[in-house]
Amino acid sequence: GAVVSQHPSWVICKSGTSVKIECRSLDFQATTMFWYRQFPKQSLMLMATSNEGSKATYEQGVEKDKFLINHASLTLSTLTVTSAHPEDSSFYICSARGQMNTGELFFGEGSRLTVL
Amino acid sequence: KNQVEQSPQSLIILEGKNCTLQCNYTVSPFSNLRWYKQDTGRGPVSLTIMTFSENTKSNGRYTATLDADTKQSSLHITASQLSDSASYICVVTIMDSNYQLIWGAGTKLIIKP
Repeated sequence: GAVVSQHPSWVICKSGTSVKIECRSLDFQATTMFWYRQFPKQSLMLMATSNEGSKATYEQGVEKDKFLINHASLTLSTLTVTSAHPEDSSFYICSARGQMNTGELFFGEGSRLTVL
Repeated sequence: KNQVEQSPQSLIILEGKNCTLQCNYTVSPFSNLRWYKQDTGRGPVSLTIMTFSENTKSNGRYTATLDADTKQSSLHITASQLSDSASYICVVTIMDSNYQLIWGAGTKLIIKP
């Protein structure tokens, strides 16, 4: 089946630094990718929807200047957490959808970010 | 308002027992409904996806049902195993220009030996 690879799977950084997380669709072209954040014992929260070649659409309450999303190709989207602070520590997950909008969603394994 | 509600919020059962998780939605227009399993610290994994015309879909010991008239879905797990301990999430897709996804909060299932 289709695979979505997320990297890194975990990262620890100092407060004030920026962290980039990559999401790749390995065997299909992902026209749409989604970025989620999940705090402990809570459900996934959609942060933004990213369509290849266009600006990401952010959910209400998500700062677009803090969470930079780039979807430059049909197989790669990146999320950059800029000037990270301890409250940004969370589990970040991406998912990818193929060219059929009603098609299956495939999730990455997630990236655990810890900001010291 | 487009919403997906899941029940129960959490459930504890003994290994080997069956259980049923519920998902009610008020999404319109409806495109499809998906059930995902998410292990702690992992990304969700798809169990089933059903369109309007499908009533039942099975995936091993998992059987999902869909009643499009009452806007209800259920996920039945047969002969539960310890590895079934996870969160189960119901997601409904809106048939609009963006095919927006509406997420349920999930049911936390714990299987005890």
